[in-house]
Amino acid sequence: SQQGEEDPQALSIQEGENATMNCSYKTSINNLQWYRQNSGRGLVHLILIRSNEREKHSGRLRVTLDTSKKSSSLLITASRAADTASYSCATGNSGTYKYIFGTGTRLKVLA
Amino acid sequence: NAGVTQTPKFQVLKTGQSMTLQCAQDMNHEYMSWYRQDPGMGLRLIHYSVGAGITDQGEVPNGYNVSRSTTEDFPLRLLSAAPSQTSVYFCASRDKNTEAFFGQGTRLTVV
Repeated sequence: SQQGEEDPQALSIQEGENATMNCSYKTSINNLQWYRQNSGRGLVHLILIRSNEREKHSGRLRVTLDTSKKSSSLLITASRAADTASYSCATGNSGTYKYIFGTGTRLKVLA
Repeated sequence: NAGVTQTPKFQVLKTGQSMTLQCAQDMNHEYMSWYRQDPGMGLRLIHYSVGAGITDQGEVPNGYNVSRSTTEDFPLRLLSAAPSQTSVYFCASRDKNTEAFFGQGTRLTVV
């Protein structure tokens, strides 16, 4: 079964708006990462947040992590049409070497 | 610096045929993994390796074999292809508790 579950499954917004995606997971983690995938391409790493961190920023990206709720959110501010892609979270689980991915949120930014 | 290189990019197999998907990385990463991605689903872990000579099963290992004779290479073998193995396959490499780097994927069709 998938460790991470993203919500919503799909999101459509206008250019300039903010996009928020959520990820929930089930077990203890060492870190949580967010990736972006354009259609038919490989995944590209966006940001990694460790279990002892609560918030992290990278450009227009803001990631939060709440280990008590086993959830994370990815905020993309001032979205652009080029942000249209699928966004997935992955967890590095305590005690294992596996990175487990969620099903992803398909974001569409309308120009 | 090529990163993670997967070959081939596309492959069509007949049921029962065997083949090897190649994956090579030039970043001296300890950890390498193979994932498959089916339509509407997230990446599912097939097999992974934490170093040369060490491999382990992921979520969906049946029908696939791997070996890790060198740090750089992590081939995935399909011994007897089945239509259920039609998918897009991604190889990834990383260091412990860091972000994963992905290849561009192999689109496999089994007829």
